[in-house]
Amino acid sequence: GDSVTQMEGPVTLSEEAFLTINCTYTATGYPSLFWYVQYPGEGLQLLLKATKADDKGSNKGFEATYRKETTSFHLEKGSVQVSDSAVYFCALTLSGGYNKLIFGAGTRLAVHP
Amino acid sequence: DVKVTQSSRYLVKRTGEKVFLECVQDMDHENMFWYRQDPGLGLRLIYFSYDVKMKEKGDIPEGYSVSREKKERFSLILESASTNQTSMYLCASMWSGRGRETQYFGPGTRLLVL
Repeated sequence: GDSVTQMEGPVTLSEEAFLTINCTYTATGYPSLFWYVQYPGEGLQLLLKATKADDKGSNKGFEATYRKETTSFHLEKGSVQVSDSAVYFCALTLSGGYNKLIFGAGTRLAVHP
Repeated sequence: DVKVTQSSRYLVKRTGEKVFLECVQDMDHENMFWYRQDPGLGLRLIYFSYDVKMKEKGDIPEGYSVSREKKERFSLILESASTNQTSMYLCASMWSGRGRETQYFGPGTRLLVL
């Protein structure tokens, strides 16, 4: 079935370090891909998305490129801040089917000064 | 801004109680969703609704039911709460149509069943 696999956390980094969180997917058809972020005590909010192969989503210094050949959508940021500490979820949705989201397990990021 | 609100941030209930979780959105979205979030499992879809009075089972509907009598409100019901339903519950809403796949989430309700 359709699924999303993302790297296990927690990921612990120092401020200004480079961040990569890996995400791969399995899907029939042509999914749209998303990264959602959950800050402590809050619900999820959309960070970025890409709807077709080779699209790059970007927001707040984060980027992810939709790679159909490797079925991946890795999240990157060149220089993390303490305020980026959160849980990051990779997700996909398939065209049709009421746009249900399928989530990965989430990766907790902790950034220290 | 889209706003999705949930009736409670924290709830404590006893085993066997009937529990109602309410979700309201203010953007006239057709689709609404209920998820539960558990450590290491991500978010799992319980039920969703694509229109008033319409509902579809998600991946883990057992022990839950839903109600959508008005477009803006989607209720999750635990008919007889059990300890394995202790979890964080998240509601989301979304427009229909291609290119509008973003789901907007409420802040969550953390439910403890004793």
